[in-house]
Amino acid sequence: EVQLVDSGGGLVQPGGSLRLSCGASGFTLSSYEMSWVRQAPGKGLEWVSYISTNGATIRHADSVRGRLTISRDTTKNSLYLEMHSLRVDDTAVYYCARRKNAYFDYWGQGTLVTVAS
Amino acid sequence: EVVLTQSPATLSLSPGERATLSCRASQSVGNSLAWYQQKPGQAPSLLMYDASNRATGVPARFSAYGFGTDFTLTISSLEPEDFAVYYCQQYYNWPITFGRGTRLEIK
Repeated sequence: EVQLVDSGGGLVQPGGSLRLSCGASGFTLSSYEMSWVRQAPGKGLEWVSYISTNGATIRHADSVRGRLTISRDTTKNSLYLEMHSLRVDDTAVYYCARRKNAYFDYWGQGTLVTVAS
Repeated sequence: EVVLTQSPATLSLSPGERATLSCRASQSVGNSLAWYQQKPGQAPSLLMYDASNRATGVPARFSAYGFGTDFTLTISSLEPEDFAVYYCQQYYNWPITFGRGTRLEIK
């Protein structure tokens, strides 16, 4: 059974850093493209980051480029989102999602990041 | 960036009624469009992909069609568990974009 488990969220001050993790089971992470998608409280979905199957291609939304970085550890079958210089408007539930033929077929349960002083 | 406009923002219907949700793209996305359902406190789940294909396990009362810039999701006869928020998403161009969602609520 495919499962994605998001973790690492919490309360952080503006300008702070956080590292989110997404543990994958039931499939091999390196065989799929993966992304992070976020959802601010009461708002819609916003794509954040993408990593290709071989890890060579990485993309980020303009709103996070230079501050948030996607990565993965194939030995741990895990996906990460390094978050730096966090802003109040980064407050959101962050979901990792598996891409199958470019759409998202499985999602993690999400982890809440709150940026506030 | 492709902007997806969903309408209506809120749709109030009763169980057993037919629901029709719209998603319009600011430029052609071919058939590279997916629909997701999100219930309160849950992650989104894939409903439809490539504009008209049902994801695994999705009931036959859900159907979708469209190509280019105009897309429609239809629920033929609403069940209580169908009341949720529905998002469309395009994967034709980077960046990937989502519509703002249609909230389907019980009348």
